[in-house]
Amino acid sequence: EAQVTQNPRYLITVTGKKLTVTCSQNMNHEYMSWYRQDPGLGLRQIYYSMNVEVTDKGDVPEGYKVSRKEKRNFPLILESPSPNQTSLYFCASSLSSATRGYTFGSGTRLTVV
Amino acid sequence: GENVEQHPSTLSVQEGDSAVIKCTYSDSASNYFPWYKQELGKGPQLIIDIRSNVGEKKDQRIAVTLNKTAKHFSLHITETQPEDSAVYFCAAKQNNNDMRFGAGTRLTVKP
Repeated sequence: EAQVTQNPRYLITVTGKKLTVTCSQNMNHEYMSWYRQDPGLGLRQIYYSMNVEVTDKGDVPEGYKVSRKEKRNFPLILESPSPNQTSLYFCASSLSSATRGYTFGSGTRLTVV
Repeated sequence: GENVEQHPSTLSVQEGDSAVIKCTYSDSASNYFPWYKQELGKGPQLIIDIRSNVGEKKDQRIAVTLNKTAKHFSLHITETQPEDSAVYFCAAKQNNNDMRFGAGTRLTVKP
């Protein structure tokens, strides 16, 4: 089944403890992206990647890192999480940046205390 | 850059009634306008989309209209059912640029 898989689904952590949220797609998509969803703000882009080894900042990149060493994986790294990073995170992918349809993962609900 | 505004933020309708959600965008270069439905505990799923060279598109009970001059587009759901209850997001995109999303509309269909 074609899908975007995120792990974990839920995570509670403490301020300052590094964490990684994984994202993997099995559709051979070139384009991958991370969003955070907050009430009243919709989906805001954190980082995106046009292809392997190519990443760029979205609208809200502060406090996050990403890497794209392989086409299928696009992990989101929080080196020193803070409470304002408590949010619902979604990974998405599409065939290319020019392609219209995005496929989203099921989301990761992160709480930083 | 592109800015997408979506209204209303919440919408409650009686089963069988119609629901309309409206979005406006700022960048006339945007040429693709998808709508996503997000059910509880799931990621957004594409339900319908429209390109800038088309004024209206329909898929069963769902339709989308686009007014390029006014830079707004709308989602119309007819004969609503309880399973239509979800959060709906509009979005706008230019060719190689990234998708810009509206803030979302929480639709509740009361049986």
